[in-house]
Amino acid sequence: GAVVSQHPSRVICKSGTSVKIECRSLDFQATTMFWYRQFPKQSLMLMATSNEGSKATYEQGVEKDKFLINHASLTLSTLTVTSAHPEDSSFYICSAGEGAGQQETQYFGPGTRLLVL
Amino acid sequence: GNSVTQMEGPVTLSEEAFLTINCTYTATGYPSLFWYVQYPGEGLQLLLKATKADDKGSNKGFEATYRKETTSFHLEKGSVQVSDSAVYFCALSPYNFNKFYFGSGTKLNVKP
Repeated sequence: GAVVSQHPSRVICKSGTSVKIECRSLDFQATTMFWYRQFPKQSLMLMATSNEGSKATYEQGVEKDKFLINHASLTLSTLTVTSAHPEDSSFYICSAGEGAGQQETQYFGPGTRLLVL
Repeated sequence: GNSVTQMEGPVTLSEEAFLTINCTYTATGYPSLFWYVQYPGEGLQLLLKATKADDKGSNKGFEATYRKETTSFHLEKGSVQVSDSAVYFCALSPYNFNKFYFGSGTKLNVKP
């Protein structure tokens, strides 16, 4: 099946710094990608929809200035956590869809674990 | 709103035991329902799905039936294997097939 990669897989940073996470669809193009975050022992929470060539759409309660999303090409979306704080420590997962309509299948990346000290 | 509730884990079973992981949902409209599996160190993989009421999704011996009357999508397998040890997520997609709402995940441990 299709593959979605994320980089880095794990990152540790100091409080106040910014961290960029990449999500790539390796063998297909995706006009839309999605970003989720997962706290320990909790469900994946949808953060935003990343739209190629236009602004991302954020879920209620997610700060768009805190979590910057750029979907520069059909195979790459980036999530930048700006001025990171310890409460931003989490597991971030992206997904991308292949196909259309009822035949669309979402493929998930392996996730990026962020630890803010 | 849209939400998914699934049973807390971990669930520990012996090999060849019967598995049930409960999942119930609330949704607007007529969602599609999914089970995803996450093996250690890997990303989520689609296990099975059902797009309308009474549909049964099945894959690798796992089954789940879309029950609109009970708003449920319980995952079952007749005989689990050690290789089934993973975290299982129930999810719904309310309007289309890309935006998901997930349950909290249920970790399954299968002992030989």
